[in-house]
Amino acid sequence: QQKVQQSPESLSVPEGGMASLNCTSSDRNFQYFWWYRQHSGEGPKALMSIFSDGDKKEGRFTAHLNKASLHVSLHIRDSQPSDSALYFCAASGTGNTGKLIFGLGTTLQVQP
Amino acid sequence: NSKVIQTPRYLVKGQGQKAKMRCIPEKGHPVVFWYQQNKNNEFKFLINFQNQEVLQQIDMTEKRFSAECPSNSPCSLEIQSSEAGDSALYLCASSPQVSQNTLYFGAGTRLSVL
Repeated sequence: QQKVQQSPESLSVPEGGMASLNCTSSDRNFQYFWWYRQHSGEGPKALMSIFSDGDKKEGRFTAHLNKASLHVSLHIRDSQPSDSALYFCAASGTGNTGKLIFGLGTTLQVQP
Repeated sequence: NSKVIQTPRYLVKGQGQKAKMRCIPEKGHPVVFWYQQNKNNEFKFLINFQNQEVLQQIDMTEKRFSAECPSNSPCSLEIQSSEAGDSALYLCASSPQVSQNTLYFGAGTRLSVL
């Protein structure tokens, strides 16, 4: 069973619209979360990290974490065609070796 | 552009052949990770290092896979006897610290085992 589950599998939004991606963990040891984006033919690139309950905003991107429900979301405001990519949620626990566990990703398509 | 450099970008091997790929981590990052990303976008952690020391590795890495991060040389991941199931994108990432760490990925080496 995937310890980090993402939904939806794919998402299509119009240019200028809002994209909302979800991620849920099944492991209460996970305390730290990241969102990564991967364009075709490239490696994943970190968008933002979130470690505390509540919202974290960076430009057009807002992440929300609820540790009680182990749910983290990513909202992309004013979506652009260049935002079309695979988005991964990743999580890690306290201590250990720093290994991140990734979800299976959400494919976002922004329609011009 | 990524500051983690992976070579080669593409690697084609026959079954049973050795496959070796290299990674130069971002300058000043002592922690290096290797992940395998399959065609279903599943990430599988293989091994990580802090400087030259192995922090953690999975069973697969302990058998056909070998990896090292020597000082003053690129890190490397080698598959001793490639199998069709090893066909995947191999991603190297580096990080400035072990815990609560953001990983910085290279573009990957895409291995095809024929």
